[in-house]
Parts: sequence; structure tokens; C-alpha cells
Amino acid sequence: KQEVTQIPAALSVPEGENLVLNCSFTDSAIYNLQWFRQDPGKGLTSLLLIQSSQREQTSGRLNASLDKSSGRSTLYIAASQPGDSATYLCAVTVYGNKLVFGAGTILRVKS
Amino acid sequence: DAEITQSPRHKITETGRQVTLACHQTWNHNNMFWYRQDLGHGLRLIHYSYGVQDTNKGEVSDGYSVSRSNTEDLPLTLESAASSQTSVYFCASSWDREGGTGELFFGEGSRLTVL
Repeated sequence: KQEVTQIPAALSVPEGENLVLNCSFTDSAIYNLQWFRQDPGKGLTSLLLIQSSQREQTSGRLNASLDKSSGRSTLYIAASQPGDSATYLCAVTVYGNKLVFGAGTILRVKS
Repeated sequence: DAEITQSPRHKITETGRQVTLACHQTWNHNNMFWYRQDLGHGLRLIHYSYGVQDTNKGEVSDGYSVSRSNTEDLPLTLESAASSQTSVYFCASSWDREGGTGELFFGEGSRLTVL
């Protein structure tokens, strides 16, 4: 059974810092990995999608990497801003286009 | 713009009552999913559908049912609500079936409280 773990569970950083969020999964048989952002009381917004054949994806200040063989992904946020404060979730797509989610990392960027 | 909407956004009900949460998407996606989100558990899959008349059980399907009579809607029914079903429920949709290449789009969520 696929399991997804995110470390740390919560993170507080001062504005301007670069930071890394970690995601690990137990079964390397995935189609892709997605990183989502969730604001309080809201749904999830997809940030980056990395196909299983890819190593990384970038969007603005965000960079996500994928090492499928070791079951790890990282989300790098450069020059963090208070507006980045949110919960970040990673999810892997397994057979049947189903997503298995981690519990998320709660990020707080202090101004 | 295409979107996915859930209703009601907030619902309080009593134990034993039947509750239906609605989900409507206008992207014409063939895949639709229902998740519940609980503190410490992340999102867990309840039911999903790959198209009209197709429904499948997810990892936490007990006490829930869905039906897919058209492409746009996947209502989630709690046959007899229990306090353990107090949660936030998210509906999502995507285009692809195999290969998992499709991006998943989420609704805003429905907060259900069972007293």
C-alpha cells in the first residue's frame, strides 16, 4: 500500500529565507507527483506536477524535484514571502489515476 | 470559466440522518473523486468515478455512496450519518484515466458536522 510522508509537519521561517519541504513515498510505481497548496478554509490548488520520467519542474520561485528510485521529492521555495503561508501537500498518482496524499506541511512565513 | 462547485459549503446534521453533498464540474472531465480531510490524516479517497454509470470504492468508502448519472455531477450520500463522518469533504475532477497525466482540480470543500 502506497504511503506518503511529509516532513516537517510545520515550519516557521522569516521572510526572505529559502526553504525546502520534503515528501517521501513507499512505492516507486507512480505515474506522477503533484505539489498542492491549501489556504485555510479553501480547496487545493495544484502548484507543480512532475511526471515519473521527469526529474524536476519549476514555476516562478518554486522548484520541485523527484527521485523516483529513492521515493523522495522536495519542494524548494526561494525568497519566501508572507503570502506563501499555507499548507503544502504532496500527492502521488498511482494506478487508476488515484492520488495518495501526505498529511501536509504547514508553512508560516513571518514578516 | 470552467469550475467545480460543491454544495452546501457547511452542513450540520444529526446522527442517523441521510445527507447528500453535491459536486458539479463544468470542465467535462470524465474522472471525479470524493475525498475527506481530517487532521493528521491528509486527504483520503472515499469514492471515484471514471465516467457515467461508473463508480468505485476508495479506501474509506464504508457508510458512503455515489452515483454518476451524467458527466457533470457526482453527489456523495451518507446513508446514516455518524459522528465519525464529521469532516471536510472535497470533490475533485481530472481528464485522464490511465497514465495519471491529468492535473487534479478541487472544489472549495463542504464542512459537515454530525451531532
